[in-house]
Amino acid sequence: ETGVTQTPRHLVMGMTNKKSLKCEQHLGHNAMYWYKQSAKKPLELMFVYNFKEQTENNSVPSRFSPECPNSSHLFLHLHTLQPEDSALYLCASRMAGGNYEQYFGPGTRLTVT
Amino acid sequence: SQQGEEDPQALSIQEGENATMNCSYKTSINNLQWYRQNSGRGLVHLILIRSNEREKHSGRLRVTLDTSKKSSSLLITASRAADTASYFCATDAWSSGSARQLTFGSGTQLTVLP
Repeated sequence: ETGVTQTPRHLVMGMTNKKSLKCEQHLGHNAMYWYKQSAKKPLELMFVYNFKEQTENNSVPSRFSPECPNSSHLFLHLHTLQPEDSALYLCASRMAGGNYEQYFGPGTRLTVT
Repeated sequence: SQQGEEDPQALSIQEGENATMNCSYKTSINNLQWYRQNSGRGLVHLILIRSNEREKHSGRLRVTLDTSKKSSSLLITASRAADTASYFCATDAWSSGSARQLTFGSGTQLTVLP
């Protein structure tokens, strides 16, 4: 257990569905991240939140919409996804100003049909 | 192009042998980190080496960093079947603008055979 939880662990959705991924960290960190991990590709940074403010959006399509209501919770809202969006979505957190090591959740395995 | 690239992409060894994985990167870094990922799970931080350090040890792990060659290696000694996982290097560096980012490589898949 790393102190970062993600729900659901698995999600199958159609291209017209709307769903949300949830991440919660119990470490007192103040920066949170969404990554996408596709097979045989490096982790892709999607969004960064520092102190609840979005500081990075790495050219992610608008069908992915992040939300960070407080420093402990992070959501990724999904709508009208494409089959190529099927991947493992990982949430991570860290303490800003530290060594920049990140703590990851177990991920949500998303399949878009 | 990606910052960190691991070599080899896959490595298969017998239990008890040592495993060495290499990472090359392109830009100046603040530090370099190694992570481990079991199949379908999240990444777990293993060890961090700062840009002014050359070698670091943690249990059965030994990490080296050569900033002149922009490369790092991770050595796992006396490997065990439980070490089977993917190993990623990640570079902590300033991206374009003022953002500091952790950039991951594609990973080395290590299989330790009992």
